[in-house]
Amino acid sequence: KAGVTQTPRYLIKTRGQQVTLSCSPISGHRSVSWYQQTPGQGLQFLFEYFSETQRNKGNFPGRFSGRQFSNSRSEMNVSTLELGDSALYLCASSLDGFNQPQHFGDGTRLSIL
Amino acid sequence: GENVGLHLPTLSVQEGDNSIINCAYSNSASDYFIWYKQESGKGPQFIIDIRSNMDKRQGQRVTVLLNKTVKHLSLQIAATQPGDSAVYFCADSALYSTLTFGKGTMLLVSP
Repeated sequence: KAGVTQTPRYLIKTRGQQVTLSCSPISGHRSVSWYQQTPGQGLQFLFEYFSETQRNKGNFPGRFSGRQFSNSRSEMNVSTLELGDSALYLCASSLDGFNQPQHFGDGTRLSIL
Repeated sequence: GENVGLHLPTLSVQEGDNSIINCAYSNSASDYFIWYKQESGKGPQFIIDIRSNMDKRQGQRVTVLLNKTVKHLSLQIAATQPGDSAVYFCADSALYSTLTFGKGTMLLVSP
């Protein structure tokens, strides 16, 4: 069974640009969550999608958004990029929520110049 | 690869030793607990989980212990190997809430 796939693996952008990251969950998993990982803040929850609806949201500004498609694939978008958005963005999928193992992809490393 | 190890507590052990990684959680309503291993350049990898109706669960070379009274979780790795070197995260969740991750512990295994 294929794992969680995130694309692209690396991305370099400049301040003010926008970016879209993609995540393909494990087949059959309907819950997709996104996290931001930085050395200083650790793993921080961005949002969770289930059946194409945002079900949970973390404490990030509105510049961070996401969506989920009918095949459970998900995208997250960050607009008006800031230097502080440089991070590893991780996607995780599970069958249907947080009370079971979430399986992570290897992330997209976003660098803002 | 991703440097997730900055400013993390570090546990250094010799190959063959048993390792114990500790974690404290704050939400007394948490009922699901999970341990992840993250190697440089990779995403967190699921190791083992435990629910609040248990206080111990064993996997292959790993054991998780849960003490709900003091809100403490530990991961024991038997016969630690160099390949176990990584950052280890605990996480917890309560019903209908999201996973909350700890800051992580770096495990360094010397041959």
